[in-house]
Amino acid sequence: AQSVTQLGSHVSVSEGALVLLRCNYSSSVPPYLFWYVQYPNQGLQLLLKYTTGATLVKGINGFEAEFKKSETSFHLTKPSAHMSDAAEYFCAVSSQGGSEKLVFGKGTKLTVNP
Amino acid sequence: DAGITQSPRHKVTETGTPVTLRCHQTENHRYMYWYRQDPGHGLRLIHYSYGVKDTDKGEVSDGYSVSRSKTEDFLLTLESATSSQTSVYFCAISEVDRGFSQPQHFGDGTRLSIL
Repeated sequence: AQSVTQLGSHVSVSEGALVLLRCNYSSSVPPYLFWYVQYPNQGLQLLLKYTTGATLVKGINGFEAEFKKSETSFHLTKPSAHMSDAAEYFCAVSSQGGSEKLVFGKGTKLTVNP
Repeated sequence: DAGITQSPRHKVTETGTPVTLRCHQTENHRYMYWYRQDPGHGLRLIHYSYGVKDTDKGEVSDGYSVSRSKTEDFLLTLESATSSQTSVYFCAISEVDRGFSQPQHFGDGTRLSIL
């Protein structure tokens, strides 16, 4: 069975500071990994995905994530936080070439302080 | 944005009444999903569909049923709503392109309150 753990349900950073949101996964088969963002009263929007190939993945809005198989991690980073980055972020995992189902982490709410 | 419309967007109803939520897509995607989102739980899969009349259970399927009679529509029914089913419900769609799974795209959600 697959699972996702997001460390920290709330993260607070200052505007201009580094954003680091942590995600660890468990999967018995090679994973597909995703980060989604949810703004208040909206659905989830895809930030970036890892399927195969390059382990450093760049997404929208200046975010990137690195797949580290040895650490079973897929942490999300952004060098400089903007006020508009305040949202909830979800990490998700699915199986390569198998089930199309996603398993989500519980989410991390990011607050950006001026 | 992916063409996904959820209806209604908001609903308040009473315990014991039947409720049907609709998800309509214009992308002709094969896969459709229903999730519920609750504080502290993230998104949990209720049911999903991998084609017309082909559905399967997810993690939290008890008390819910689904139907898919057309590619574009996926209905979620609460036969007899309970207060524990108060939640925000999201529909998602996805496709497989040349053997590779594509990311899921989400609707804007339905906020359901059961009193």
